[in-house]
Amino acid sequence: QVQLVESGGGVVQPGRSLRLSCAASGFSFRTSAMYWVRQAPGKGLEWVAVMSYDGSSQYYADTVRGRFTISRDNSKSTLFLQMNTLTTEDTAVYYCARDLIVGGITFPREWGQGTLVTISS
Amino acid sequence: DIQMTQSPSTLSASVGDRVTITCRASQSISTWLAWYQQKPGRAPKLLIYKVSNLESGVPSRFSGTGSGTEFTLTISSLQPDDFATYYCQQYHSSWTFGQGTKVEIK
Repeated sequence: QVQLVESGGGVVQPGRSLRLSCAASGFSFRTSAMYWVRQAPGKGLEWVAVMSYDGSSQYYADTVRGRFTISRDNSKSTLFLQMNTLTTEDTAVYYCARDLIVGGITFPREWGQGTLVTISS
Repeated sequence: DIQMTQSPSTLSASVGDRVTITCRASQSISTWLAWYQQKPGRAPKLLIYKVSNLESGVPSRFSGTGSGTEFTLTISSLQPDDFATYYCQQYHSSWTFGQGTKVEIK
């Protein structure tokens, strides 16, 4: 079955960096677009970034563009999110998700359990 | 950016009730709309995509309708497992979620 396991979360000070990982199994990672979506404590869902199956395209939410970088290693079925210049507004559970493509349009389908990132001094 | 607005924010209902949640887009998104269910401490789960297509394994009591800017999620007969928060999401232009609708026990 599909498994997505996020790791790398923790408590960091404002202005510092953190790298999240998402280990995938149970599906063809190398043919799937992959997402990062976050959820601040007690709040709703916010799409963060998406990367195409081959890594050739990536898109970011305005709130993280220029600070976060999504990447992937298809040989290891792993997705990454490099987060720089973190602020308290980035405090959230970060989920990775694999895509479903319908009519040529992609969106998140199955999600990992999430990893908590807390930005605090 | 396309904004998604759900109503109500909270809905109190009893087991067996018919429940309807509305989602409105700030501009037309055609039929590029999905619904997710989230329980406390858990990851979101895809219920419906492209307005009305049930994800594999989702009970038939869930259904979706709409097009353009107005959409609904209906649970025909609320079950104990359905008490959760529901989010709509558009994927016409980028990806945007509604703020969520919490379905709680009346």
